[in-house]
Formats: sequence, C-alpha cells, structure tokens
Amino acid sequence: GAGVSQTPSNKVTEKGKYVELRCDPISGHTALYWYRQSLGQGPEFLIYFQGTGAADDSGLPNDRFFAVRPEGSVSTLKIQRTERGDSAVYLCASSLFGQGPSTDTQYFGPGTRLTVL
Amino acid sequence: AQTVTQSQPEMSVQEAETVTLSCTYDTSENNYYLFWYKQPPSRQMILVIRQEAYKQQNATENRFSVNFQKAAKSFSLKISDSQLGDTAMYFCAFMNRDDKIIFGKGTRLHILP
Repeated sequence: GAGVSQTPSNKVTEKGKYVELRCDPISGHTALYWYRQSLGQGPEFLIYFQGTGAADDSGLPNDRFFAVRPEGSVSTLKIQRTERGDSAVYLCASSLFGQGPSTDTQYFGPGTRLTVL
Repeated sequence: AQTVTQSQPEMSVQEAETVTLSCTYDTSENNYYLFWYKQPPSRQMILVIRQEAYKQQNATENRFSVNFQKAAKSFSLKISDSQLGDTAMYFCAFMNRDDKIIFGKGTRLHILP
C-alpha cells in the first residue's frame, strides 16, 4: 500500500475483554514497530519486529501484551484482560530495513485509539 | 537512560511569523540521531527533519531548520514563514543504534490567522 494502515481506527471495549489491533506496513518494509501514546504524552516504544521475529520487546508493559508478525508483513498487537489504563492510541510504524536511521526512516500509521470502559 | 524534554507545552504565533520550539535531551551515547515529528489531528506522525549527531552542520528542510548544540544537548526547531497548516503537535525525538525512538511530551503549536 501507499502508507502504513491500521485497523480499526477506533476501538471501544470493556474492562477484562481481549482486543486485537492490526497493522499493515508499507509493502516491502522488513522492520515494524509498535508504540503507545497515552493522552498528553509522546509515543512510547513497545516492540520491534525484524521480519517475522521480535527483535526487541522490552517496551511491552506486562504479559497481557503480545504481538505477532507471522508472515513478515501484517502485525497484530494483542491485549488480554484489558484495563482502563490501557486506553491510549497505539501507533505502528515500518521501515525498509530496520538498520537504523542512517539508512532509512520509520513511517507511521494513523494509529488505533483504544478506549477501555 | 535517554530522555527527551520539551519545556513548552503550548505555543501560539501569527501566520507568517517565525517560531522556535525547544528541546533538550540526555544521553551518554556519542552516535545518535535526533528528529522532529509533526502530529496533526489525524494522529499520523510525520517526519519533519532529522539530524545526525556526528554532523556539525544544522539540518534544513525548506522552512524548517534546527539549531543543534551537541555539547549542550539541545536541539531546537525553527519554523520560518509559519503557515496555518503548521498547526499541530510537534515531538522532539531521539534514536541511537537500537532503533527505538524516544519521544518528548510534545509542544502544541497554534498558527493564528
């Protein structure tokens, strides 16, 4: 596609429910990143994929959060037993090689706004 | 740990004026990269300008330029001839070789007609 796309655009769920957020990176981009942006804050890193594998998941806040990228393109961020504190905008980004900004740039999607009631 | 600080939560300027957004950062690294991202109400983060720490020359992109002071760990963004479309949140950001971007809290910029 022309850019990074994320679905759904908005998601409202109840506390304790399970949610899945989807990211479609730019075609051909090998690196994919998830960030979380809470209200009034800058985005915070969650996890980074290089191809199908998670190269760095140090930003995942706890074991309720999990992400996959089984075929090296689309990625799904999964949140179990959602809590009100999980409410945020979840941003996805992709880059061509993931070899650092000296070679390429991270392009961001429009995000999914998750609201946990 | 690296940190990025933006001390101006909100700013307003008249259209066509010049505005400078401040940013300081903290790191023990010597090689790193700095960015300014723009986030309009559509939520999409748009890269405005980037600076490699090893380059002494300040980066420039059309009406956008930076003042990079490595010793002071300062990285300000200057927007010249500001336009209504420049209204957005602006985030200063840092990246080292591990590919994680660390963002500041942002500055909300209003361009007034």
